[in-house]
Amino acid sequence: DTAVSQTPKYLVTQMGNDKSIKCEQNLGHDTMYWYKQDSKKFLKIMFSYNNKELIINETVPNRFSPKSPDKAHLNLHINSLELGDSAVYFCASSQDRRARGPAATNEKLFFGSGTQLSVL
Amino acid sequence: AQTVTQSQPEMSVQEAETVTLSCTYDTSESDYYLFWYKQPPSRQMILVIRQEAYKQQNATENRFSVNFQKAAKSFSLKISDSQLGDAAMYFCAYRAYSGGGADGLTFGKGTHLIIQP
Repeated sequence: DTAVSQTPKYLVTQMGNDKSIKCEQNLGHDTMYWYKQDSKKFLKIMFSYNNKELIINETVPNRFSPKSPDKAHLNLHINSLELGDSAVYFCASSQDRRARGPAATNEKLFFGSGTQLSVL
Repeated sequence: AQTVTQSQPEMSVQEAETVTLSCTYDTSESDYYLFWYKQPPSRQMILVIRQEAYKQQNATENRFSVNFQKAAKSFSLKISDSQLGDAAMYFCAYRAYSGGGADGLTFGKGTHLIIQP
């Protein structure tokens, strides 16, 4: 079973269109994230949600709107797509309570396989 | 704000040799986690190794080990007996222990590791 799944894996669209990327996690985590990886491979956080509440909203155009219908889902909707939006978008999840020791996994982020968005 | 710096955009190593990837970070926190993630051409982000800052002992995972120098804020990754499957982008990442937990990871810009057969 895939822990963090996002769809679609590839998305090719025209400038000006509106598109959504879906993300679901079956790990029981209560925190989910969206990261953007640009053409130079740099990974930067866009949003984080904890128990459906927006926690982090980095400097991202308001054309990007995350939606969390429940703890297991965090979708990313993008309006009026621009050429510069072309990138790989990663969804991730983690548990927000810390625990110590080698068996603890709470601080780890689990990533989806990414969505490569190409805006033409 | 925390920053993570990987000063080697690309490294090359012969198969079966040892290679060390560098990472430095800046933080005012005293308790945090450090990670190395691997991203092969498949694009999947794979956790290689993690280190808890309160532990002085360096983490090891099979052929992968780290040299964690807290005072110097340095966290290098050593890959022993390099294999062709180790070829990938390697990202160093930081996560603070404090806070509500939704802070996520701060990544370095990555090091592209090439394995020469």
